[in-house]
Amino acid sequence: SAVISQKPSRDICQRGTSLTIQCQVDSQVTMMFWYRQQPGQSLTLIATANQGSEATYESGFVIDKFPISRPNLTFSTLTVSNMSPEDSSIYLCSASDGVNQPQHFGDGTRLSIL
Amino acid sequence: RKEVEQDPGPFNVPEGATVAFNCTYSNSASQSFFWYRQDCRKEPKLLMSVYSSGNEDGRFTAQLNRASQYISLLIRDSKLSDSATYLCAVNLNTGNQFYFGTGTSLTVIP
Repeated sequence: SAVISQKPSRDICQRGTSLTIQCQVDSQVTMMFWYRQQPGQSLTLIATANQGSEATYESGFVIDKFPISRPNLTFSTLTVSNMSPEDSSIYLCSASDGVNQPQHFGDGTRLSIL
Repeated sequence: RKEVEQDPGPFNVPEGATVAFNCTYSNSASQSFFWYRQDCRKEPKLLMSVYSSGNEDGRFTAQLNRASQYISLLIRDSKLSDSATYLCAVNLNTGNQFYFGTGTSLTVIP
């Protein structure tokens, strides 16, 4: 399976600032996704990162707050904008080779907002 | 109603025990199913896919019951190293978006 790395692995940020998380896959993949996992909870899908076009957002998530880029088949970024303490969470990217294929996850970015 | 539901546990079992987890899903059109393992402060890692005919990987057996809309994971001869949270994932549509259960916590006790 693909090896997926995320940067940064963790950060502590001031409220009102923005942070961009990078996700790099060691091979070309068809699909990439961004999730959020709050303490003690399961994963919530934020959006599907589409290569060369705008991301597809799930209900409750909007582009202004979570802009996503996917310039090629191996890389994506998620920006958490105008952060508030409620954005404190683990953010995970994942990748899969296609429909009905399993997703594999990056090691996550642990974000704390003061 | 949630798309995917799991009993959160916790399940505390002795070494060598057999333990089973279930996960129910609400959409009968769901297409693919997976079990993931997540260790504390780590990312989820794929444990196994769940096939219609059921599948086994060593001590782990996964089954799908489409009529009752649930998947199951059976762990035989539990090891201390099996202690983790087990998440089920369901692909509801052709976009391969996964919906995850809340996870079931397992602790295997010496």
